[in-house]
Amino acid sequence: DTEVTQTPKHLVMGMTNKKSLKCEQHMGHRAMYWYKQKAKKPPELMFVYSYEKLSINESVPSRFSPECPNSSLLNLHLHALQPEDSALYLCASSQVIGDRGWGQYFGPGTRLTVT
Amino acid sequence: GQNIDQPTEMTATEGAIVQINCTYQTSGFNGLFWYQQHAGEAPTFLSYNVLDGLEEKGRFSSFLSRSKGYSYLLLKELQMKDSASYLCAVRDAGGQTGANNLFFGTGTRLTVIP
Repeated sequence: DTEVTQTPKHLVMGMTNKKSLKCEQHMGHRAMYWYKQKAKKPPELMFVYSYEKLSINESVPSRFSPECPNSSLLNLHLHALQPEDSALYLCASSQVIGDRGWGQYFGPGTRLTVT
Repeated sequence: GQNIDQPTEMTATEGAIVQINCTYQTSGFNGLFWYQQHAGEAPTFLSYNVLDGLEEKGRFSSFLSRSKGYSYLLLKELQMKDSASYLCAVRDAGGQTGANNLFFGTGTRLTVIP
């Protein structure tokens, strides 16, 4: 199984809503990532979890709150978002350093629209 | 800091060969990746280089020169379905966490024409 799954595929939310994005992988990867991608731009790293611990928070506003309940799951909790937060949110996973490997496997993304 | 540069757009003809260049200046280096991304879809892995030289995988090859901070992706026998964005990404050393962070270039949008 070389798949990273994300739900939902599409999400429309108001600025006062609270919602969560979910990501799951069963490849035994111990590093998981959230990226934000705006149209015609490359993915921008938001958060990195390594062994279920948050290791990187790339100056992301607190209205985005990540959670890693176990080694297979990664959530991104959203609250009081702004319209400029509308983007494609990509989850990825990888082996940790030491694996010559194949970089990161990306999920299909959640397309978020904030109204 | 990380600085990764690629041409913004390229156009090539079906059946031809195209080379997409990437130059990088990064604070750490533990490999360079090329990803393909079709519009509205997730990036998919194409190739990986950590040592200097050429890696070949079917119609795709990737080259790395660490001393020059330079890589290229070579696509042969272009097909219409190769129209996509091609992202160069550098993996940093990961520090103490072990996670390998990718820093992406701006991507090159390739259009294949008949």
